[in-house]
Amino acid sequence: NAGVTQTPKFQVLKTGQSMTLQCAQDMNHEYMSWYRQDPGMGLRLIHYSVGAGITDQGEVPNGYNVSRSTTEDFPLRLLSAAPSQTSVYFCASRQGQGSSGNTIYFGEGSWLTVV
Amino acid sequence: AQSVAQPEDQVNVAEGNPLTVKCTYSVSGNPYLFWYVQYPNRGLQFLLKYITGDNLVKGSYGFEAEFNKSQTSFHLKKPSALVSDSALYFCAVRDRPPGGYNKLIFGAGTRLAVHP
Repeated sequence: NAGVTQTPKFQVLKTGQSMTLQCAQDMNHEYMSWYRQDPGMGLRLIHYSVGAGITDQGEVPNGYNVSRSTTEDFPLRLLSAAPSQTSVYFCASRQGQGSSGNTIYFGEGSWLTVV
Repeated sequence: AQSVAQPEDQVNVAEGNPLTVKCTYSVSGNPYLFWYVQYPNRGLQFLLKYITGDNLVKGSYGFEAEFNKSQTSFHLKKPSALVSDSALYFCAVRDRPPGGYNKLIFGAGTRLAVHP
């Protein structure tokens, strides 16, 4: 059982480039989400999904796109990378759409630097 | 909107001493509260949660947290700190906007440093 798997772990981009952070989970979780972690700001929700075909914006969605074509995968796309998007990105999942008491499981993180 | 505050950027404790990492919350309705720990270069790991019931919640690695409704707090505690407890700790609260889906809102994090 791999849990939540993120790739790549490290990436350096030039300003204006696009890329996709991959996230996959093998726990059949309905709910998946992307957070970014910046010093002194904790984790901020970028986008989330409550099931295949359903996505919604979080606190800081600008500059990012997501899609959820399958239960397992939830890729995060940076459309035109900016230095402000330099951050550590975490994918997370949990069971259930609306069940709020279930534990969230996090991936190991993706360190992104935009130069 | 729901929120949590972690008033301390860093907590320093000597090994063997009790530790407390503070968290206060602001919610409408009954709070669902969580603690997560992050070790260097790793993802977040679940420690414990309060949904309902006993105000003292026991979690992983010997940690516990006390829910205090009157003080709107959910402080993380451990009776005897270990050097290996040194990590970044996050408090989180469920946010459920009207007509929307549940999300977790995280505090800024508190770095715990346990010294030998």
